[in-house]
Amino acid sequence: GAVVSQHPSWVICKSGTSVKIECRSLDFQATTMFWYRQFPKQSLMLMATSNEGSKATYEQGVEKDKFLINHASLTLSTLTVTSAHPEDSSFYICSPWNGENTGELFFGEGSRLTVL
Amino acid sequence: GEDVEQSLFLSVREGDSSVINCTYTDSSSTYLYWYKQEPGAGLQLLTYIFSNMDMKQDQRLTVLLNKKDKHLSLRIADTQTGDSAIYFCAESIAAGNKLTFGGGTRVLVKP
Repeated sequence: GAVVSQHPSWVICKSGTSVKIECRSLDFQATTMFWYRQFPKQSLMLMATSNEGSKATYEQGVEKDKFLINHASLTLSTLTVTSAHPEDSSFYICSPWNGENTGELFFGEGSRLTVL
Repeated sequence: GEDVEQSLFLSVREGDSSVINCTYTDSSSTYLYWYKQEPGAGLQLLTYIFSNMDMKQDQRLTVLLNKKDKHLSLRIADTQTGDSAIYFCAESIAAGNKLTFGGGTRVLVKP
């Protein structure tokens, strides 16, 4: 399967600070990037979808000014959680898509954010 | 909207077969997926099936799709302790579209 790298794997930050999570597709070009989050003992929920070079489309209830997504290249997308609060503590996972009609969708290893 | 349901928990003895079931509501679902998640890890794509298929087999994994009943199952043959994990089914209406996930089934394999 495709190699998708996320960094950092885990991060602890103080309330009010910003955290940037990187997602890299190492062996293919990601024309589209999906960002999901998973709260403890829950399933994954889509936060936003971004196409390379375009603004991200956010799901209902996800604040675009709080979760900044940058998808400036075909191999790198970043999610920045601005002014993080304890309720933003979650597992954030990216899923890049290369535009092919195969149906395959791979995920990164995830980034666990804990906001104190 | 779309809804995907799974049973919460499955316990199985090592060497037996496991069957994890999933139901979905969106008749437009085109791709149906099974992912495995181990503690603290991301999602590993196990297999996926296109909606015009009834069955797909890949080594120990067999996926059955009943499109009429909107029912998907994953059978793991000769279950091993390393198969203990949470298994998510998910659906998508098209390639490159978002996935809608079920709540996950926690599989515990007992020696």
